[in-house]
Amino acid sequence: AQSVTQLDSQVPVFEEAPVELRCNYSSSVSVYLFWYVQYPNQGLQLLLKYLSGSTLVESINGFEAEFNKSQTSFHLRKPSVHISDTAEYFCAVTQPYSGGSNYKLTFGKGTLLTVNP
Amino acid sequence: EAGVTQFPSHSVIEKGQTVTLRCDPISGHDNLYWYRRVMGKEIKFLLHFVKESKQDESGMPNNRFLAERTGGTYSTLKVQPAELEDSGVYFCASSPTGSTEAFFGQGTRLTVV
Repeated sequence: AQSVTQLDSQVPVFEEAPVELRCNYSSSVSVYLFWYVQYPNQGLQLLLKYLSGSTLVESINGFEAEFNKSQTSFHLRKPSVHISDTAEYFCAVTQPYSGGSNYKLTFGKGTLLTVNP
Repeated sequence: EAGVTQFPSHSVIEKGQTVTLRCDPISGHDNLYWYRRVMGKEIKFLLHFVKESKQDESGMPNNRFLAERTGGTYSTLKVQPAELEDSGVYFCASSPTGSTEAFFGQGTRLTVV
């Protein structure tokens, strides 16, 4: 069984400040890791993912996350946030080769990032 | 290209009634997933289709929930009879064969009163 813990339910920050959204996971097998984002009144969108290779992955809008196997973490960071980054962020895991193509996701509870002017 | 579409966006029904949620996946995506988020809790997996076949129903809460995907295209999720604890946001997602990236719809917010 897998589980995901997002330690902060809400993170308020000021515009242009750095931010870190924390994610820890628990799994007895190797995992693929994801961050999804849900902007107001929209569906979830994939922000970035770690499957293998370099432990640092980046998104097109300036976010990055680092896979740390020893700490079982996949924290999301951005050095300078914008008002438009206000959204709910979800960390998720799935198990590789879980049988067929069933990449069902196990989610954390989400972190609401609010960027204030 | 159209994304994943869910109908309705909102539904308010009384306890004991029946509700059917619909999901139209991205054309050509064989994998279709249903998830649910109860208020204050995490998004939880309900079930997974590959084309018209149910591959994994391990997340379905009980036999009041029935999912179908006739012809391997759109899917429906029926709740009959609805209970108060069924309230939440139901998400549908689809992906191509072998892909780890799921594309989500906007969700259906179900409120049972």
